[in-house]
Amino acid sequence: DQQVKQNSPSLSVQEGRISILNCDYTNSMFDYFLWYKKYPAEGPTFLISISSIKDKNEDGRFTVFLNKSAKHLSLHIVPSQPGDSAVYFCAASASLVQAGTALIFGKGTTLSVSS
Amino acid sequence: DTEVTQTPKHLVMGMTNKKSLKCEQHMGHRAMYWYKQKAKKPPELMFVYSYEKLSINESVPSRFSPECPNSSLLNLHLHALQPEDSALYLCASSRTEAGPQYFGPGTRLTVL
Repeated sequence: DQQVKQNSPSLSVQEGRISILNCDYTNSMFDYFLWYKKYPAEGPTFLISISSIKDKNEDGRFTVFLNKSAKHLSLHIVPSQPGDSAVYFCAASASLVQAGTALIFGKGTTLSVSS
Repeated sequence: DTEVTQTPKHLVMGMTNKKSLKCEQHMGHRAMYWYKQKAKKPPELMFVYSYEKLSINESVPSRFSPECPNSSLLNLHLHALQPEDSALYLCASSRTEAGPQYFGPGTRLTVL
């Protein structure tokens, strides 16, 4: 049973427009959420995170929104750039304070930004 | 600096070989992880070391043997692997308190 779901396998956006990537989770114990970007044959690159005590976190062009009641989070990229084209993974964990907490990943969404 | 390094970048081995994957970080992180990623799949956790002690083993077969010699190094010893073990093996690390895991570039393993 998937605890972290990214229901859109792919997303195509034009350069300069907004990209919105969505993620749903089922485990109410999750309290920390992250977005990673991954290029082929490379390790995931951390983008942005949010804890369950917040509903929004912003870092440059990237903003993550968390709706705990809906168990839903989204990543907004504005403006989108061709270099943003990659696979984006949503991940969640069930502990904020303990080192060595497992991350549960979604299956990923492939973002393609065309110029 | 958020760099995690992994060696080798690529590894091809036979089913009777013994090899090791190495991971290193100098960020002072006290938790280190091994993940396995198959093509078009998300990373799957294998092992977690917290303060140099194995804290999570996700029912990984004994042909994979982790080792944490010190707080900066993490090894994965491989022996008698199967072709289905071919994958990208990712190392990650994180700080003691809440925070993201930072991943290395991975080792692409092919078992013949």
